[in-house]
Amino acid sequence: SQQGEEDPQALSIQEGENATMNCSYKTSINNLQWYRQNSGRGLVHLILIRSNEREKHSGRLRVTLDTSKKSSSLLITASRAADTASYFCATPSYNTDKLIFGTGTRLQVFP
Amino acid sequence: SQTIHQWPATLVQPVGSPLSLECTVEGTSNPNLYWYRQAAGRGLQLLFYSVGIGQISSEVPQNLSASRPQDRQFILSSKKLLLSDSGFYLCAWSVSPRDGNTIYFGEGSWLTVV
Repeated sequence: SQQGEEDPQALSIQEGENATMNCSYKTSINNLQWYRQNSGRGLVHLILIRSNEREKHSGRLRVTLDTSKKSSSLLITASRAADTASYFCATPSYNTDKLIFGTGTRLQVFP
Repeated sequence: SQTIHQWPATLVQPVGSPLSLECTVEGTSNPNLYWYRQAAGRGLQLLFYSVGIGQISSEVPQNLSASRPQDRQFILSSKKLLLSDSGFYLCAWSVSPRDGNTIYFGEGSWLTVV
């Protein structure tokens, strides 16, 4: 299976702290995408990093990609209670348009 | 702009009854369409994806089937539901995610089989 694994499965922090989530995948990729899911809702795209990029920023989000280790990390800086959600990485299959999601990290940010 | 509609939002069905979940996309042509299932507190499992009318790829052997009768319509069905079919079903669309395009999700359908 190409499904990614995310680590940790759950993370609890205080507002203002940074949150780091990691994702590992199994096959070659063109890009890796991060999504957020509020409880009971559909997923929303956060940020995409291409296989030839090593780091990307968007607001309080920082994503890194290490293709040699087949891993990525998502850092949320200065977290807020509104960041409470589940976060998933997703990898498109290299030669098809299937998008495989990781197992997710449940982030809880306490005020 | 593109939108995706998925219904019904919630349903409770007895074991052995049929199922039909429907998804439609507006504002785009020839999208890739996807059905995912999410068990409570778990990750997303890709069930089916389609690159065109009548073209369905099944990812996991199961009690479900999918059809794409029109370009922007994707239907998830079952003839006889099992308890294990309970979960949160998400429809999604995309244009070539391997080229760097994102995937857009509907709001999901909660299915409880009793």
